[in-house]
Amino acid sequence: DAGITQSPRHKVTETGTPVTLRCHQTENHRYMYWYRQDPGHGLRLIHYSYGVKDTDKGEVSDGYSVSRSKTEDFLLTLESATSSQTSVYFCATRDREESPLHFGNGTRLTVT
Amino acid sequence: GESVGLHLPTLSVQEGDNSIINCAYSNSASDYFIWYKQESGKGPQFIIDIRSNMDKRQGQRVTVLLNKTVKHLSLQIAATQPGDSAVYFCAENDFNKFYFGSGTKLNVKP
Repeated sequence: DAGITQSPRHKVTETGTPVTLRCHQTENHRYMYWYRQDPGHGLRLIHYSYGVKDTDKGEVSDGYSVSRSKTEDFLLTLESATSSQTSVYFCATRDREESPLHFGNGTRLTVT
Repeated sequence: GESVGLHLPTLSVQEGDNSIINCAYSNSASDYFIWYKQESGKGPQFIIDIRSNMDKRQGQRVTVLLNKTVKHLSLQIAATQPGDSAVYFCAENDFNKFYFGSGTKLNVKP
């Protein structure tokens, strides 16, 4: 949907290691988002971007950082992964205000 | 968006019946609302949206109703089919941010 590719699709990592998840879109959408999805919590916003090099925090941003150096790529970094960051991570994009988010198929991250 | 317990509420319907899924939102400033469908192992898929200046919007086999007075949103699916089985959740939009409900699982019995 909206040409969104997330990589990797699955990753297992150890506590304390850095991890970077990538979101790539081909639709030239202005806005990009990172969400995590956990049972009982639904989708929660981590960070979002409203343009190249323009980002802002969401409700669960602690322990995460993002970068957007090109329109098409939005990177999510866990500087030092913890077990509480085990989750499914979704990237989403939209092209303008009052338009829906379009989601990628997610990255399942397990921190052991 | 609301937060519910670990187990998703489930709606079971017979194939061919109509389904109604409800959602309560929390932010009076939200001005745009969306319904999503999520199948196992996939990302959420857009179904239908509605702006706060409307109270009803229809799509193909789906209708969204918005009641701003009680901050309630509903999704009606006509002639429910087995392929409609999934988790459905609503989202509310306030400026650049979207907030999601935890969802309702729709189980369609053949």
